[in-house]
Amino acid sequence: YVLTQPPSVSVAPGQTARITCGGNNIGSKSVHWYQQKPGQAPVLVVYDDAVRPSGIPERFSGSNSGNTATLTVSRVEAGDEADYFCQLWDSGSDQGVFGGGTKLTVL
Amino acid sequence: EVQLVESGGGRVKPGGSLRLSCAVSGFTFSSYDMNWVRQAPGKGLEWVSTISTRSNYIYYADSVKGRFTISRDNAKNSLHLQMNSLRAEDTAVYYCARAVVVGARFDYWGQGALVTVSS
Repeated sequence: YVLTQPPSVSVAPGQTARITCGGNNIGSKSVHWYQQKPGQAPVLVVYDDAVRPSGIPERFSGSNSGNTATLTVSRVEAGDEADYFCQLWDSGSDQGVFGGGTKLTVL
Repeated sequence: EVQLVESGGGRVKPGGSLRLSCAVSGFTFSSYDMNWVRQAPGKGLEWVSTISTRSNYIYYADSVKGRFTISRDNAKNSLHLQMNSLRAEDTAVYYCARAVVVGARFDYWGQGALVTVSS
């Protein structure tokens, strides 16, 4: 199972960033999103398509339908600049799958 | 406080072996499935392996199947990854990560251990 993400997304501070994750009928699966800053371990920011873990700002939200899952970061701040990865479990192959990652740049 | 701490990383020659460990604290280790995820230098995340709470379900990525073995010791709150027949392409930071159940989100991660395979 392959997850496809755009390599990069750029947005000005205060604007909205949308990071997509494409996969065959991904809307039928649970998608998780991770944020990773340079030199740090990944941090879970959205799970089960649209649930925010405690401590994650409300500016982070997710959706999933059809062949695309989307992580939305509203009112983007400089501190949101990072790599973002989508992930799911492929029950067909019993394997975990990550997208290639998207670098979010705050202009 | 949930903590996961990897150890055992280092440099090894192609064809060699290495054993990674992940010591955990701050939660009931035996109640969580555990995972290894790696990241080659400058690259994305790659899922490596998953083990269920009682080790009765184990899964591997195709890229490591037959060479890597995941295990856990619930009495010692530790997770392991035995890596044999190492290749240059196994060079990566290896993270251990916790999951509520197999297939669920990885909600806590360690800081990673660097494995370098080079002659």
